[in-house]
Amino acid sequence: EAQVTQNPRYLITVTGKKLTVTCSQNMNHEYMSWYRQDPGLGLRQIYYSMNVEVTDKGDVPEGYKVSRKEKRNFPLILESPSPNQTSLYFCASSLLGWYQETQYFGPGTRLLVL
Amino acid sequence: DAKTTQPTSMDCAEGRAANLPCNHSTISGNEYVYWYRQIHSQGPQYIIHGLKNNETNEMASLIITEDRKSSTLILPHATLRDTAVYYCIVTLGGVYNQGGKLIFGQGTELSVKP
Repeated sequence: EAQVTQNPRYLITVTGKKLTVTCSQNMNHEYMSWYRQDPGLGLRQIYYSMNVEVTDKGDVPEGYKVSRKEKRNFPLILESPSPNQTSLYFCASSLLGWYQETQYFGPGTRLLVL
Repeated sequence: DAKTTQPTSMDCAEGRAANLPCNHSTISGNEYVYWYRQIHSQGPQYIIHGLKNNETNEMASLIITEDRKSSTLILPHATLRDTAVYYCIVTLGGVYNQGGKLIFGQGTELSVKP
């Protein structure tokens, strides 16, 4: 089954404790992206990757890092999480990253930073 | 990017057609109209998209006015499982280097009632 998976689905952590949220897709997509969703602010893009070893900032990249060493994986790294990073996170992928392509989203990771 | 305007919420009776309007009066010639939905904090799910012509798939129909300034998503026989937030998104076509970002507005919260 074609899908985007994220782990963990739920995470409670404390300020400053590094964490990684994994994202993997099995569709051989070139393009992958991370969004965060907050009440009243909608979904906002954090980082995206057009291909292996090619990443770029989205609208809200502060406090996050990403890497793209393999086509299928695009982990989101919070080096020193803060409470304002408490949010619902979604990973997405599409074939090439062209605007007219369908994007496929993961199930989401709900993060609480205390 | 062109902006969209959608009603905040709508109700629909189960088994009836749900017609969700979207205004995109500033859309330009190479911009597509996309619809996604999000069911209760799950990952957004692609529904349908179009450029000029009306489109239909197994989930829905998309009616785009001749001047392309508005569109309507039609769920022909709404079920309780169609209760979700529906997002109308306008995206550029063929722009490879702009990150493939989807700009989600506030969407329409559709409640399908028995």
